[in-house]
Amino acid sequence: DTGVSQDPRHKITKRGQNVTFRCDPISEHNRLYWYRQTLGQGPEFLTYFQNEAQLEKSRLLSDRFSAERPKGSFSTLEIQRTEQGDSAMYLCASSGTVETQYFGPGTRLLVL
Amino acid sequence: KQEVTQIPAALSVPEGENLVLNCSFTDSAIYNLQWFRQDPGKGLTSLLLIQSSQREQTSGRLNASLDKSSGRSTLYIAASQPGDSATYLCAVRTTGANNLFFGTGTRLTVIP
Repeated sequence: DTGVSQDPRHKITKRGQNVTFRCDPISEHNRLYWYRQTLGQGPEFLTYFQNEAQLEKSRLLSDRFSAERPKGSFSTLEIQRTEQGDSAMYLCASSGTVETQYFGPGTRLLVL
Repeated sequence: KQEVTQIPAALSVPEGENLVLNCSFTDSAIYNLQWFRQDPGKGLTSLLLIQSSQREQTSGRLNASLDKSSGRSTLYIAASQPGDSATYLCAVRTTGANNLFFGTGTRLTVIP
Protein backbone atom coordinates (compact mmCIF):
# COMPACT_ATOMS: atom_id res chain seq x y z
CA ASP A 1 0.00 0.00 0.00
CA THR A 2 1.55 3.30 -1.06
CA GLY A 3 -0.98 5.58 0.62
CA VAL A 4 -0.66 7.66 3.77
CA SER A 5 -0.53 5.50 6.89
CA GLN A 6 -1.16 6.44 10.50
CA ASP A 7 -0.45 4.62 13.73
CA PRO A 8 -2.17 3.80 15.98
CA ARG A 9 -5.63 3.74 14.49
CA HIS A 10 -7.26 4.01 17.90
CA LYS A 11 -6.00 5.29 21.24
CA ILE A 12 -7.77 5.40 24.59
CA THR A 13 -6.00 7.27 27.35
CA LYS A 14 -6.71 8.80 30.71
CA ARG A 15 -6.82 12.52 31.23
CA GLY A 16 -3.38 13.90 31.98
CA GLN A 17 -1.44 11.26 30.06
CA ASN A 18 0.77 12.00 27.06
CA VAL A 19 0.08 10.43 23.67
CA THR A 20 2.05 10.33 20.43
CA PHE A 21 0.75 9.61 16.95
CA ARG A 22 2.75 8.77 13.85
CA CYS A 23 2.11 9.56 10.20
CA ASP A 24 3.95 8.08 7.22
CA PRO A 25 3.20 10.13 4.09
CA ILE A 26 3.33 8.98 0.50
CA SER A 27 7.05 8.51 -0.07
CA GLU A 28 7.69 11.18 -2.69
CA HIS A 29 5.54 13.85 -1.00
CA ASN A 30 7.43 16.72 0.62
CA ARG A 31 4.39 18.40 2.19
CA LEU A 32 2.67 17.03 5.26
CA TYR A 33 -0.38 18.31 7.14
CA TRP A 34 -2.11 17.48 10.41
CA TYR A 35 -5.84 18.09 10.90
CA ARG A 36 -8.26 17.37 13.73
CA GLN A 37 -11.88 16.33 13.20
CA THR A 38 -14.60 16.17 15.83
CA LEU A 39 -17.90 14.40 15.36
CA GLY A 40 -20.15 16.01 12.78
CA GLN A 41 -17.57 18.60 11.78
CA GLY A 42 -15.14 18.99 8.93
CA PRO A 43 -11.43 18.62 9.61
CA GLU A 44 -9.63 21.65 11.08
CA PHE A 45 -6.03 22.47 10.22
CA LEU A 46 -3.40 22.04 12.91
CA THR A 47 0.03 22.31 11.30
CA TYR A 48 1.98 22.05 8.03
CA PHE A 49 5.47 20.83 7.16
CA GLN A 50 7.45 21.29 3.99
CA ASN A 51 10.21 18.71 4.17
CA GLU A 52 11.44 18.90 7.78
CA ALA A 53 10.45 22.54 8.34
CA GLN A 54 7.26 23.30 10.25
CA LEU A 55 6.00 26.32 8.33
CA GLU A 56 2.54 26.89 9.72
CA LYS A 57 0.76 26.28 13.02
CA SER A 58 -2.90 26.90 13.74
CA ARG A 59 -4.11 28.67 16.86
CA LEU A 60 -5.71 25.30 17.66
CA LEU A 61 -2.23 23.93 18.31
CA SER A 62 -1.89 24.83 21.97
CA ASP A 63 1.32 24.58 23.99
CA ARG A 64 0.41 21.01 24.86
CA PHE A 65 0.71 19.97 21.22
CA SER A 66 3.98 19.48 19.40
CA ALA A 67 4.68 18.08 15.96
CA GLU A 68 7.92 17.02 14.35
CA ARG A 69 9.13 15.74 11.02
CA PRO A 70 12.80 15.11 11.78
CA LYS A 71 14.07 13.86 8.45
CA GLY A 72 11.39 15.13 6.16
CA SER A 73 9.75 11.72 5.99
CA PHE A 74 7.43 10.50 8.78
CA SER A 75 5.90 12.90 11.28
CA THR A 76 4.82 12.63 14.91
CA LEU A 77 2.16 14.57 16.77
CA GLU A 78 2.41 14.57 20.57
CA ILE A 79 -0.24 15.76 22.97
CA GLN A 80 0.91 16.32 26.54
CA ARG A 81 -1.38 16.30 29.57
CA THR A 82 -4.37 15.23 27.52
CA GLU A 83 -7.80 16.72 28.25
CA GLN A 84 -11.23 15.35 27.43
CA GLY A 85 -11.59 18.09 24.82
CA ASP A 86 -8.71 16.53 22.90
CA SER A 87 -10.92 13.58 21.98
CA ALA A 88 -11.16 13.65 18.20
CA MET A 89 -9.95 12.02 15.00
CA TYR A 90 -6.44 13.18 14.10
CA LEU A 91 -5.86 13.11 10.36
CA CYS A 92 -2.61 13.34 8.47
CA ALA A 93 -2.37 14.30 4.79
CA SER A 94 0.46 14.68 2.31
CA SER A 95 0.93 16.28 -1.07
CA GLY A 96 3.68 16.60 -3.63
CA THR A 97 4.03 18.51 -6.86
CA VAL A 98 0.39 17.76 -7.59
CA GLU A 99 -1.78 19.88 -5.33
CA THR A 100 -4.14 17.14 -4.20
CA GLN A 101 -3.91 16.37 -0.48
CA TYR A 102 -4.10 12.65 0.24
CA PHE A 103 -5.37 11.69 3.66
CA GLY A 104 -4.54 8.78 5.92
CA PRO A 105 -7.13 6.69 7.80
CA GLY A 106 -6.77 8.80 10.94
CA THR A 107 -6.09 8.11 14.60
CA ARG A 108 -9.16 8.21 16.80
CA LEU A 109 -8.32 9.48 20.29
CA LEU A 110 -10.59 9.05 23.28
CA VAL A 111 -9.59 10.76 26.52
CA LEU A 112 -11.38 9.41 29.58
CA LYS B 1 -10.92 33.81 7.55
CA GLN B 2 -12.33 31.52 4.88
CA GLU B 3 -15.67 29.97 5.81
CA VAL B 4 -17.08 27.03 3.88
CA THR B 5 -20.74 26.03 4.01
CA GLN B 6 -22.37 22.91 2.63
CA ILE B 7 -26.06 22.54 2.07
CA PRO B 8 -27.95 20.33 2.65
CA ALA B 9 -26.44 18.69 5.73
CA ALA B 10 -28.10 15.40 4.80
CA LEU B 11 -29.73 14.02 1.69
CA SER B 12 -31.55 10.77 0.91
CA VAL B 13 -32.25 9.75 -2.67
CA PRO B 14 -33.45 6.57 -4.39
CA GLU B 15 -30.91 4.59 -6.36
CA GLY B 16 -30.43 5.79 -9.92
CA GLU B 17 -31.25 9.41 -9.24
CA ASN B 18 -28.93 12.24 -10.29
CA LEU B 19 -28.08 14.64 -7.50
CA VAL B 20 -26.24 17.87 -6.75
CA LEU B 21 -24.32 18.78 -3.62
CA ASN B 22 -23.62 22.42 -2.90
CA CYS B 23 -20.63 24.21 -1.40
CA SER B 24 -20.19 27.93 -0.82
CA PHE B 25 -17.18 29.87 0.42
CA THR B 26 -16.77 33.43 1.65
CA ASP B 27 -13.35 34.42 0.26
CA SER B 28 -13.20 34.19 -3.52
CA ALA B 29 -9.38 34.43 -3.53
CA ILE B 30 -8.98 30.69 -3.72
CA TYR B 31 -6.07 28.64 -5.05
CA ASN B 32 -8.04 25.45 -5.53
CA LEU B 33 -11.06 23.51 -4.27
CA GLN B 34 -11.21 19.82 -3.47
CA TRP B 35 -14.12 17.45 -2.98
CA PHE B 36 -13.66 14.48 -0.66
CA ARG B 37 -15.65 11.47 0.37
CA GLN B 38 -15.60 10.14 3.94
CA ASP B 39 -17.07 6.83 5.05
CA PRO B 40 -18.11 6.52 8.72
CA GLY B 41 -15.09 6.39 11.02
CA LYS B 42 -12.65 6.50 8.12
CA GLY B 43 -10.23 8.94 6.55
CA LEU B 44 -10.92 11.13 3.53
CA THR B 45 -10.75 10.00 -0.08
CA SER B 46 -10.02 12.69 -2.65
CA LEU B 47 -12.58 12.78 -5.46
CA LEU B 48 -11.82 15.85 -7.54
CA LEU B 49 -9.59 18.91 -7.41
CA ILE B 50 -10.42 22.09 -9.33
CA GLN B 51 -7.78 24.74 -9.78
CA SER B 52 -8.90 28.36 -9.48
CA SER B 53 -8.46 28.84 -13.24
CA GLN B 54 -10.76 25.90 -14.06
CA ARG B 55 -14.53 25.81 -14.32
CA GLU B 56 -15.09 22.09 -13.87
CA GLN B 57 -13.55 18.66 -13.47
CA THR B 58 -14.99 15.27 -14.27
CA SER B 59 -14.22 11.78 -13.03
CA GLY B 60 -16.53 8.95 -14.02
CA ARG B 61 -20.02 9.72 -12.71
CA LEU B 62 -18.78 12.77 -10.82
CA ASN B 63 -18.61 16.32 -12.11
CA ALA B 64 -17.51 19.27 -10.01
CA SER B 65 -17.97 22.88 -11.06
CA LEU B 66 -16.47 26.07 -9.69
CA ASP B 67 -17.75 29.65 -9.86
CA LYS B 68 -15.21 31.76 -8.02
CA SER B 69 -17.00 35.04 -8.48
CA SER B 70 -20.11 33.79 -6.70
CA GLY B 71 -18.17 31.68 -4.20
CA ARG B 72 -19.84 28.42 -5.15
CA SER B 73 -19.01 24.89 -6.19
CA THR B 74 -21.29 21.98 -6.96
CA LEU B 75 -20.66 18.26 -7.06
CA TYR B 76 -22.92 16.43 -9.48
CA ILE B 77 -23.34 12.67 -9.06
CA ALA B 78 -24.99 10.85 -11.93
CA ALA B 79 -26.98 7.64 -11.61
CA SER B 80 -26.43 7.32 -7.87
CA GLN B 81 -25.69 3.90 -6.34
CA PRO B 82 -25.97 2.59 -2.76
CA GLY B 83 -22.16 2.50 -2.66
CA ASP B 84 -22.16 6.29 -3.04
CA SER B 85 -23.59 6.59 0.49
CA ALA B 86 -21.06 8.59 2.51
CA THR B 87 -20.34 12.09 3.73
CA TYR B 88 -19.09 14.44 1.03
CA LEU B 89 -16.78 17.26 2.11
CA CYS B 90 -15.82 20.38 0.22
CA ALA B 91 -12.46 22.00 1.04
CA VAL B 92 -10.96 25.26 -0.14
CA ARG B 93 -7.32 26.28 -0.28
CA THR B 94 -7.10 30.07 -0.11
CA THR B 95 -4.45 31.92 -2.12
CA GLY B 96 -1.33 32.31 0.02
CA ALA B 97 -2.28 29.51 2.42
CA ASN B 98 -1.19 25.89 2.45
CA ASN B 99 -4.01 24.37 4.48
CA LEU B 100 -7.55 23.44 3.48
CA PHE B 101 -10.69 24.98 4.97
CA PHE B 102 -13.44 22.39 5.17
CA GLY B 103 -17.19 22.53 5.21
CA THR B 104 -19.14 20.33 7.61
CA GLY B 105 -20.17 17.98 4.84
CA THR B 106 -23.31 16.57 3.28
CA ARG B 107 -24.30 13.08 4.45
CA LEU B 108 -25.68 11.22 1.45
CA THR B 109 -27.80 8.08 1.66
CA VAL B 110 -28.70 6.28 -1.55
CA ILE B 111 -31.65 3.96 -0.98
CA PRO B 112 -31.66 0.70 -2.97
